[in-house]
Amino acid sequence: EPEVTQTPSHQVTQMGQEVILRCVPISNHLYFYWYRQILGQKVEFLVSFYNNEISEKSEIFDDQFSVERPDGSNFTLKIRSTKLEDSAMYFCASSEGLAVNEQFFGPGTRLTVL
Amino acid sequence: AQTVTQSQPEMSVQEAETVTLSCTYDTSESDYYLFWYKQPPSRQMILVIRQEAYKQQNATENRFSVNFQKAAKSFSLKISDSQLGDAAMYFCAYRREGGSEKLVFGKGTKLTVNP
Repeated sequence: EPEVTQTPSHQVTQMGQEVILRCVPISNHLYFYWYRQILGQKVEFLVSFYNNEISEKSEIFDDQFSVERPDGSNFTLKIRSTKLEDSAMYFCASSEGLAVNEQFFGPGTRLTVL
Repeated sequence: AQTVTQSQPEMSVQEAETVTLSCTYDTSESDYYLFWYKQPPSRQMILVIRQEAYKQQNATENRFSVNFQKAAKSFSLKISDSQLGDAAMYFCAYRREGGSEKLVFGKGTKLTVNP
C-alpha cells in the first residue's frame, strides 16, 4: 500500500542552523502539507502546496520557513535559522484532492534544536 | 477561526467494551468535513472515520461509528468491542469546505485499552 515517507526520523541541530526536512508524498497525490506538533500540544497546520506553489500558510510559517518540490517526487520543508521553539515533530501529508479526501500522513521527523 | 475541542485528555476502556470519545467544534460555516485520526505509539497518523456535514446519517466503519450532532457542533467517536490495538492518541479534526484545505486538530485523547 502506498505511503508517505519522511527523512530523517530524527534531526538534532544547533540553534541558528538551517535544516531541511524531506518528504516523499504518495505518487498520484496533488496536494501536500506540513504540520507540526510541539510535545504535548495539538497538531498545527503550517503550509499547503498545490501546483508548485503555496496555497495557504499559517502565521507560524514565517520568512524562516520555505517549501519546495524540487524534482516532482520530494517535498521539502526548510527552516533557515532554527530557534529553540522550532523543536517539534514535523509531519508531512498528501492527498489526492480536497474536501472529504483523506490526508495521508508520514511518520514524522522529530526536530530537536539545541 | 475554527476551533476543535477534545475535553478528555485520557480515557481507558476494558478490552471488548465500548468507549466514546468526545469532540466539539466551533465554526460559522455550514459546509465542512470532520475526521477522526488515530496516532499509535509509532506516531503515524491514520484516518479512522470521516463525516460530511451535509449528511445526516452518522458514518460507520466496522467497530467505529460517530455521533454527529450538527446543531450542537458535536462529533463523538464510539469504539465498540475495543481491542488492544485500539490503544492510541485519537485526534478529532475539522476541514472547511472550499478554500482552506488545512485540517484543524483538537488536542487529542489518549486511549488506553486494558486487557
